[in-house]
Amino acid sequence: EAGVTQFPSHSVIEKGQTVTLRCDPISGHDNLYWYRRVMGKEIKFLLHFVKESKQDESGMPNNRFLAERTGGTYSTLKVQPAELEDSGVYFCASSPLVSNQGYEQFFGPGTRLTVL
Amino acid sequence: AQSVSQHNHHVILSEAASLELGCNYSYGGTVNLFWYVQYPGQHLQLLLKYFSGDPLVKGIKGFEAEFIKSKFSFNLRKPSVQWSDTAEYFCAASIKAAGNKLTFGGGTRVLVKP
Repeated sequence: EAGVTQFPSHSVIEKGQTVTLRCDPISGHDNLYWYRRVMGKEIKFLLHFVKESKQDESGMPNNRFLAERTGGTYSTLKVQPAELEDSGVYFCASSPLVSNQGYEQFFGPGTRLTVL
Repeated sequence: AQSVSQHNHHVILSEAASLELGCNYSYGGTVNLFWYVQYPGQHLQLLLKYFSGDPLVKGIKGFEAEFIKSKFSFNLRKPSVQWSDTAEYFCAASIKAAGNKLTFGGGTRVLVKP
């Protein structure tokens, strides 16, 4: 079974540019989460999709961030325009809606975003 | 608001030493608790989890953690570490009512010297 994949693995952009990160969850996982780790800080929740619906976007920093999950499969996270403080590692995680394995989330490798 | 704190940012120890990483959470209700690990160059993976039942949880690679409700703690232990345990360790908590989103501690970097 393929794990959670993220693309790109690294992105270096200049302040003011736009970047789109992609996450492909494990097939069949209806829950999809985005997290971010800014250097030196803890991993923080950004938002949560259940299928194609945004369940909780309380962690989104501001309106420069837009997340979508068309069709309830892969998700994209767009940052427009990027600012220096957006640099960090963006993680995606997925989990089944119902599971007898508890609420474990499976993480992707992350996208390291550097804004210059 | 829910929060998780880890006691140490960095730990250095020698092979065969015992490891204990502290984790405390703040939430009065029913929480789910996790330890995740990130080995160098790899993605986050689950070491162990606690939802209910026996407060002593055994995970992969010889790790275990003890949930002590009265202390709001979920400390991670390993009796004898190996060089391959060099990694960053994250404690996390979630509650079902909040969509099971994870709240992470700051992480602890563990370096095991051969």
